[in-house]
Amino acid sequence: GNSVTQMEGPVTLSEEAFLTINCTYTATGYPSLFWYVQYPGEGLQLLLKATKADDKGSNKGFEATYRKETTSFHLEKGSVQVSDSAVYFCALRVGSQGNLIFGKGTKLSVKP
Amino acid sequence: DTAVSQTPKYLVTQMGNDKSIKCEQNLGHDTMYWYKQDSKKFLKIMFSYNNKELIINETVPNRFSPKSPDKAHLNLHINSLELGDSAVYFCASRGAEKLFFGSGTQLSVL
Repeated sequence: GNSVTQMEGPVTLSEEAFLTINCTYTATGYPSLFWYVQYPGEGLQLLLKATKADDKGSNKGFEATYRKETTSFHLEKGSVQVSDSAVYFCALRVGSQGNLIFGKGTKLSVKP
Repeated sequence: DTAVSQTPKYLVTQMGNDKSIKCEQNLGHDTMYWYKQDSKKFLKIMFSYNNKELIINETVPNRFSPKSPDKAHLNLHINSLELGDSAVYFCASRGAEKLFFGSGTQLSVL
């Protein structure tokens, strides 16, 4: 079946630290991969995506590269800010009509 | 304008009561969803509707009944509320590239 595994949180970092949140997937077929972010008290919103192998998604300083050989889509940011504190969800979708399958979410707290 | 709006934002009620959560999207999308998020932030799909027709019904107790009067609305009715129903419920609609989420309804069953 299709599934997403992401690192357990919470992750606590100091401002300007480097961030990596690991995400690996299992899929039948060729999935599109996504990172969604949930700020406190809000719904999820799309952060970035990649639709095929070796694509890099990027937004707001965050990046993730679709690695087919390692079935991974790790989220990275070179210098986090307090405003990046949120829960981050890795997700996949197989086919244009498939439903999104979410990982369990990783809570990030950034301290000043 | 809010793309996906759900009401109420907070809902506190007693066990055994019946309650509804409303959701509306003004994006013209055909597909809408209900998700449940538990206290550990785990997000689980409950229902999916496409153009007023039920597409997905995960293993959700039949106390939960979605209703879609038109494709812009997907309401969630819950009968005989239980303590374990306490969670944040999110409505979402599906665009070509991504899901658009409402801001959530925090349900507390006392």
